[in-house]
Amino acid sequence: QSVLTQPPSVSAAPGQKVTISCSGSSSNLGDNFVSWYVHLPGRAPKLLIYDNDKRPSGIPVRFSGSKSGTSATLGITGLQTGDEADYYCATWDSRLSTYFFGTGTKVT
Amino acid sequence: EAQLVESGGSVTRPGGALRLSCEASGFAFRDFGMSWVRLVAGKGLQWVADINWNGVTIRYEESVKGRFIISRDNAKNSLYLQMSSLRPEDTALYYCARQWTVSGRLLRMDVWGKGTAVNVSS
Repeated sequence: QSVLTQPPSVSAAPGQKVTISCSGSSSNLGDNFVSWYVHLPGRAPKLLIYDNDKRPSGIPVRFSGSKSGTSATLGITGLQTGDEADYYCATWDSRLSTYFFGTGTKVT
Repeated sequence: EAQLVESGGSVTRPGGALRLSCEASGFAFRDFGMSWVRLVAGKGLQWVADINWNGVTIRYEESVKGRFIISRDNAKNSLYLQMSSLRPEDTALYYCARQWTVSGRLLRMDVWGKGTAVNVSS
């Protein structure tokens, strides 16, 4: 059971923008950085955003992240068909000493 | 290029045991902590366990404590997960991942393998 809640799915037309929310609590998102991962079936999960809003080398600027208090958001602009995948937020929980992934959001 | 390759996944009965391996290449394995993460069908990603660079600090997700053992051999650039007393709910695709931590807090996993499948079924 995850401590981070995401909407099960979001959808938009190619070229449009989507946002994915991630809701937690004071001991996880409220106390630690958030990361975002993307997973395509049959592929390795990939780090998209780390330290709330930083992009690893090679990740397009179309992907952005933010965090405020106990909530975080991933934004994807200029949506492409290749962006159809499952997206997960993740963070450390200081009280449980466990790394949690969010419940996951399918983008179509 | 940093790479991780998992192996050892298989079909096994409830109560059985398996040993997963993860071989690293393309980076200084001994400098990094490592994690095992599993993808459970219909439930998403779940962190399983991690180990720091020298194997001294080890942590487990609650449901695998006492059943799984994470270890590493820096001379072989390898990470392991010894799984015992397996349950049907352990059925998943198991990934190893390179991690970054600060003050003991796991920050992110930036290199992942493609996974190895474990199926626990009678």
